[in-house]
Amino acid sequence: GESVGLHLPTLSVQEGDNSIINCAYSNSASDYFIWYKQESGKGPQFIIDIRSNMDKRQGQRVTVLLNKTVKHLSLQIAATQPGDSAVYFCAENMNNNDMRFGAGTRLTVKP
Amino acid sequence: NAGVTQTPKFQVLKTGQSMTLQCAQDMNHEYMSWYRQDPGMGLRLIHYSVGAGITDQGEVPNGYNVSRSTTEDFPLRLLSAAPSQTSVYFCASRSHGTQYFGPGTRLLVL
Repeated sequence: GESVGLHLPTLSVQEGDNSIINCAYSNSASDYFIWYKQESGKGPQFIIDIRSNMDKRQGQRVTVLLNKTVKHLSLQIAATQPGDSAVYFCAENMNNNDMRFGAGTRLTVKP
Repeated sequence: NAGVTQTPKFQVLKTGQSMTLQCAQDMNHEYMSWYRQDPGMGLRLIHYSVGAGITDQGEVPNGYNVSRSTTEDFPLRLLSAAPSQTSVYFCASRSHGTQYFGPGTRLLVL
């Protein structure tokens, strides 16, 4: 998994398997969290978000889990596809105008 | 909508040169920001603006200036480029917490 400011970890999964990407955030007062996907040569793209008053949110093939007790966030991707290969970032909203990003996790999907 | 656009896509500068990275959005978002992305560091906030005429510093503002004369445009200026400013720069605009990023400008300072 990743933590804000640390090296870029990697995750390799087989096509069709589920992927779990982890993130440890730093500020217990952060109230909003976002997962982004960044493909090579492109800007980050919004995937899913979650507010601190929730512990789980589901989208299409993606689920975000928030554990405020241990300041941990995870992104689950169901039935991972080759098109999911990218770098995934978590971001925490420190206050209304300051969003801090983790270093990212590189997901590689093997066909 | 074109979303967030950035120019140029790629730029090479010599140390001490100045340049402006352009950013524009057509979504009428009040909040805009500039980030730099370095290997293993994620994205770091340089400057941001909550509306026309208002700018503020982010995490790494030194060496960069911004202005916001219109809602649409948020240029980033490097007055005297340094090799440490070699990076990929992303502009973003935000609505209700969701940030929309531009395609990035890759800057190399020799």
